[in-house]
Amino acid sequence: DVVMTQTPLSLPVSLGDQASISCRSSQSLVHSNGNTYLHWYLQKPGQSPKLLIYKVSNRFSGVPDRFSGSGSGTDFTLKISRVEAEDLGVYFCSQSTHVFTFGSGTKLEIK
Amino acid sequence: QVQLQQSGAELMKPGASVKISCKATGYTFSSYWIEWVKQRPGHGLEWIGEILPGSGSTNYNEKFKGKATFTADTSSNTAYMQLSSLTSEDSAVYYCVEGNWFAYWGQGTLVTVSA
Repeated sequence: DVVMTQTPLSLPVSLGDQASISCRSSQSLVHSNGNTYLHWYLQKPGQSPKLLIYKVSNRFSGVPDRFSGSGSGTDFTLKISRVEAEDLGVYFCSQSTHVFTFGSGTKLEIK
Repeated sequence: QVQLQQSGAELMKPGASVKISCKATGYTFSSYWIEWVKQRPGHGLEWIGEILPGSGSTNYNEKFKGKATFTADTSSNTAYMQLSSLTSEDSAVYYCVEGNWFAYWGQGTLVTVSA
């Protein structure tokens, strides 16, 4: 299976700060069709995960533009430009290029 | 809008089986894969497998073959996952998910396995 490694595990931030989360895969996520199937989710306490970004850099419907994704191959980053209180929770990356796997999560919390 | 409504929490004895349901609304149920995901504290999220309701085609994560069985009823737009021979390792929240890139998630079903 493709292992997805997220760093850091915990990210204390102040409201209004920029936050950056890294996700690295054990194999390239470039599919034979040329697409890269790397996605990001946010899970708030007591809720299901919600899709934020799909295919590296595409914001899902209704996701604020302060969220952005980038990267290629095996290295990917999620950035939140100005953290708001509603952004707190656990962020997961996942890949669907190979058999679906998820990262272990990064907890975004108040400093 | 797409909605997935899952059945309620279950408390099960070791060795028993449990069947979780996932009722879908807001899209053509038969045409899109339903995914199943397991979440345990400290173990993250694991993809269990998927079913295409219209055909009954399934794909299972190797790790869950023999543990999970997927079915679907297109007359009621409901997908099911049965977990057999339950152990404490099966205690988790289980989600049904639909959509490209896992866009739509059910609210989760907590399964607790305890003697």
